Amino acid sequence: DGGITQSPKYLFRKEGQNVTLSCEQNLNHDAMYWYRQDPGQGLRLIYYSQIVNDFQKGDIAEGYSVSREKKESFPLTVTSAQKNPTAFYLCASSIDLGGVYGYTFGSGTRLTVV
Amino acid sequence: GQQLNQSPQSMFIQEGEDVSMNCTSSSIFNTWLWYKQDPGEGPVLLIALYKAGELTSNGRLTAQFGTTRKDSFLNISASIPSDVGIYFCAGQKGKLIFGQGTELSVKP
Repeated sequence: DGGITQSPKYLFRKEGQNVTLSCEQNLNHDAMYWYRQDPGQGLRLIYYSQIVNDFQKGDIAEGYSVSREKKESFPLTVTSAQKNPTAFYLCASSIDLGGVYGYTFGSGTRLTVV
Repeated sequence: GQQLNQSPQSMFIQEGEDVSMNCTSSSIFNTWLWYKQDPGEGPVLLIALYKAGELTSNGRLTAQFGTTRKDSFLNISASIPSDVGIYFCAGQKGKLIFGQGTELSVKP
């Protein structure tokens, strides 16, 4: 079955370290997205990508970086410059940026800085 | 960034009660979507609305695309314990814009 896989489910990071969250999709979707979710704040867009080798900043890109070397993969790196990285991170994809049929989400990665 | 105004922020109801939540925006959207998120999981699409005035049902769920294209509501009838979760509205104009979510708790 097609879907989006995020890994790992839980991730612990020491302060000052970079960490990379994985997102893979086999839906043949062109567009992919990363969201951050904090309690009571909904979903905030970090980065998105319409096509391979191209991506744009979302609303809260500072302290994060991404790459899109393959259509299926859109990894997110949380850098040491992100001041408050503890959160639930969601990856999503859609057929294209217009995504008229909505997004398909992964099951999320919970990052905790210790 | 732009956000939708979703209300209420949280609801505590008794099993069997009906639930209503809504989203409003100052912008016009081409599509309205409603998602449900179970604890620790990603949101799952419940209902998609594509035309102003459209009323769509999915089992006990009913959603409407407002005639002004700036709002939408979701109703859940005869709630059950598994309805617990966070419900998000999303308006589409290019990328999706999400509401802040409505956290639903159902007491058996």
